[in-house]
Amino acid sequence: DIVMTQSPDSLAVSLGERATINCKSSQSVLSSSNNKNYLTWYQQKPGQPPKVLIYWASTRESGVPDRFSGSGSRTDFTLTISSLQAEDVAVYYCQQYYSYPRTFGQGTKVEIK
Amino acid sequence: QVQLVESGGGLVKPGGSLRLSCAASGFSFSDYYMSWIRQAPGKGLEWVSYITSSGTTIYYADSVKGRFTISRDNAQSSLYLQMNSLRAEDTALYYCARHGTSGAFEIWGQGTMVTVSS
Repeated sequence: DIVMTQSPDSLAVSLGERATINCKSSQSVLSSSNNKNYLTWYQQKPGQPPKVLIYWASTRESGVPDRFSGSGSRTDFTLTISSLQAEDVAVYYCQQYYSYPRTFGQGTKVEIK
Repeated sequence: QVQLVESGGGLVKPGGSLRLSCAASGFSFSDYYMSWIRQAPGKGLEWVSYITSSGTTIYYADSVKGRFTISRDNAQSSLYLQMNSLRAEDTALYYCARHGTSGAFEIWGQGTMVTVSS
C-alpha cells in the first residue's frame, strides 16, 4: 500500500498570508505512460463532505479560486493557499489514485491566527 | 443537479449487518466508477470499496474484505454496500463518491452514519 504522510498536522496562518501543506507518498505516484502524477487534494469543512481542489497534482478543479495551487512530482507534493481567506478554514487531505487501495494523508487542519 | 444521497445507516450491535444505499441523480450513473469511503468520528478518510461502471471489477480495503460487499443497479441508478459481521471499528460516516475521469473522487454524498455498539 502507498502510505501518504502530510505535514504539518495543523497550522495557523494570518488572513492574507500564505499557507503551505506538504504531502509525501511512500512510493512514486508518477505514471510513466502519461507523465501524470496521480495525486489529488481535497478540502473538508466541518459538517461537509470533502471537495476536490486539485487533481493530477496541479490541475485546479473548475470553480476553485486561483489562490489554491498544487505542485510537486513523484513522491513530494505541496498545496499552497497564496492568501488565506476566512472561508479557507478547513481540513485538507491529499490522496493518491495511482493504485488500490486508494490512500489518504491524515489531514492538515488550517486555522486563522 | 448532480447528486448522491446515502441512506441505510443506523445503530447496530457487533456482529450485525446493515445495507447502505446511494441514490444517484443528475448524471448517467451507468457511465461512472463508484466508491465507498468512510470517516470515523473526528478522524480522517478511509477508502472502503470500488466498483467499475459495469460492476465487473471490484476492490476492497483489507479492513473490510470478506465482510463487506459492494454492488450496483444501473437501472435504478443506485450503489449499495452490504456490511456483515460489523465491528466497533466500522463506526463511521459512510460516503459514496463518483470517480472523475482523472480518477479523483469528484462528487460526494453527504454520508450516512453507521454506529456499531452493544
